[in-house]
This record gives sequence, C-alpha cells and structure tokens, in this order.
Amino acid sequence: QKEVEQDPGPLSVPEGAIVSLNCTYSNSAFQYFMWYRQYSRKGPELLMYTYSSGNKEDGRFTAQVDKSSKYISLFIRDSQPSDSATYLCATSNNDMRFGAGTRLTVKP
Amino acid sequence: KAGVTQTPRYLIKTRGQQVTLSCSPISGHRSVSWYQQTPGQGLQFLFEYFSETQRNKGNFPGRFSGRQFSNSRSEMNVSTLELGDSALYLCASSLGGETHKTQYFGPGTRLLVL
Repeated sequence: QKEVEQDPGPLSVPEGAIVSLNCTYSNSAFQYFMWYRQYSRKGPELLMYTYSSGNKEDGRFTAQVDKSSKYISLFIRDSQPSDSATYLCATSNNDMRFGAGTRLTVKP
Repeated sequence: KAGVTQTPRYLIKTRGQQVTLSCSPISGHRSVSWYQQTPGQGLQFLFEYFSETQRNKGNFPGRFSGRQFSNSRSEMNVSTLELGDSALYLCASSLGGETHKTQYFGPGTRLLVL
C-alpha cells in the first residue's frame, strides 16, 4: 500500500464547476500537507500548504486536512480552463511523499 | 529572480551507461532535493542535500547518487543505467529550514534509456 493514495482520474468538468480533489494517507505522523499543480512538460508548483488539521483558503482554492480520518482535499471554485493540469497531493515530516496525481480538464 | 534550472532538458542513453544531471537552485537557496517521476510510480523522493551534505535519502539503489557544491548547485548521477530508469528527473530547491513549505521545482530532465 502506498503511503499517499490519490485517484489518478482523469477528471473532466465544465467551466465554472466546483472541483473536489482528494487524497488519503497512512502515516499518522505526517504533519505537513501540500497541494502542487503540474502543467504538461513543467515541474510541479506549490499551490497550498497546510500544517496539521484545518482549512486554508487562497482565492478560488481551499485546502482541507482531516487528520482523524487521514484525508486531505483541495477544492477549486469557479474552475477555469487554465486550471487544467495534474494536481498532486503531498505529505511530509522530513521528506516528501506524493500522491499519484489527478489529471483535471476544465472544458470551456 | 531566476527559477530553478536543470540541464540538460532531454537525454537519451543506452543501458549500462551512466548519466549526470545538473541542477542550479534559486539564488540564496541552500537545499536541493531530487525526485524521479514516472507514470507508474508517480513522484518519488531520491535525496536531499543541504550545505553540501546529504540530509535525507529515499529508497533507491546505490546506483543513484548525488552531490552538492559550495555554491549550492547539485548534480545527480545514475550509473549502470537500466530501462526502468527512464523518467522525468526533477530537482527542487528551498531556503533550507523547512523544505516542504518553500520548495520550488525546476522543469526537469527527461531521460530515456534505450
């Protein structure tokens, strides 16, 4: 079993939809939780960073961490075609563990 | 401020050869981490260097090695290449204290082993 599980999709939504991306993790010692966005032929870029449980909002993006269920989520409101990318969840104590990534397509 | 740069961007090698990849971090960043990304395994941590010392290491065989220079530039070496080493190799730099908070990735080197 992988330490971080993420449905690879693909996920296709119409423009303006609310997108929900999710991951589960197995190691309760993980304290730091991140979401990265990766466009085709580019390196990942950090979108959101959360420490421990709770919510964090940045514009159209909201990250949620529920440590009791080992569940992390990213919500994208009013999705745009430019949001089309692969989204990777990641957890960390000393070194990073990534999910497989979910490929998202937002159709105009 | 210039981002993380990696050279070369693309590389083709044959089995048994060795390869060296280079990463120049963002100016002022002292930590460099290396990752392997493949469609089957996703993004996997190779190792991290901080101030010329390996600080963390992932679960890869000894054929994968790295080093960091005094100017924080880093190189990764893979010896005796195998077909399964074909992947996108990414490096990421950070200031150093809290890698996971401030990690910036380069565009990657795409390695094809024939």
